[in-house]
Amino acid sequence: DVKVTQSSRYLVKRTGEKVFLECVQDMDHENMFWYRQDPGLGLRLIYFSYDVKMKEKGDIPEGYSVSREKKERFSLILESASTNQTSMYLCASKGGFGYEQYFGPGTRLTVT
Amino acid sequence: SQQGEEDPQALSIQEGENATMNCSYKTSINNLQWYRQNSGRGLVHLILIRSNEREKHSGRLRVTLDTSKKSSSLLITASRAADTASYFCATVTSRLDSGAGSYQLTFGKGTKLSVIP
Repeated sequence: DVKVTQSSRYLVKRTGEKVFLECVQDMDHENMFWYRQDPGLGLRLIYFSYDVKMKEKGDIPEGYSVSREKKERFSLILESASTNQTSMYLCASKGGFGYEQYFGPGTRLTVT
Repeated sequence: SQQGEEDPQALSIQEGENATMNCSYKTSINNLQWYRQNSGRGLVHLILIRSNEREKHSGRLRVTLDTSKKSSSLLITASRAADTASYFCATVTSRLDSGAGSYQLTFGKGTKLSVIP
């Protein structure tokens, strides 16, 4: 069965802290994605990766970076967390030829 | 940028009734997908309809696509309390600025469906 896991369900961090959100998939998918979800705004794409060490900016990359050192793992990094990054973060993966994305359970991040 | 826009934003129905949600979008698409999200959880793919298809069925789900009107609808028949969730349409378009020639999934803001037992 397809599985995407995220390192934390809930996370509370202080302004200015460096934050790492980890995502792991077990489907050998080439593509991985990070979204944030906010009330009234829906899901917005932050970054995606189509191969190991490859990354591309999504619609809202400012304030974020990503790392993909292994095929199964895609990390989202907040270099210096700010209160406007309080949000639900969703990771997803997709195979090379399919269009369907498989989502993790999400990490609800609060920055105080 | 937001592509799909769902309508209504919220819908409340009795168990056993049908639920219809609509989605409008702005640009040409490769395909359109519908996802479901239970409260505070990740999204689950429900159904995909290609741009050259007009209707598709999967169990109690029926999706239609009208590319001339740039709209889609999701019908859930004989609803159950377990169908209570948010439903999102997502359009698939090519990322012309991507070196990988990849596709981007762009989500709408969702319809919150409540099915009352």
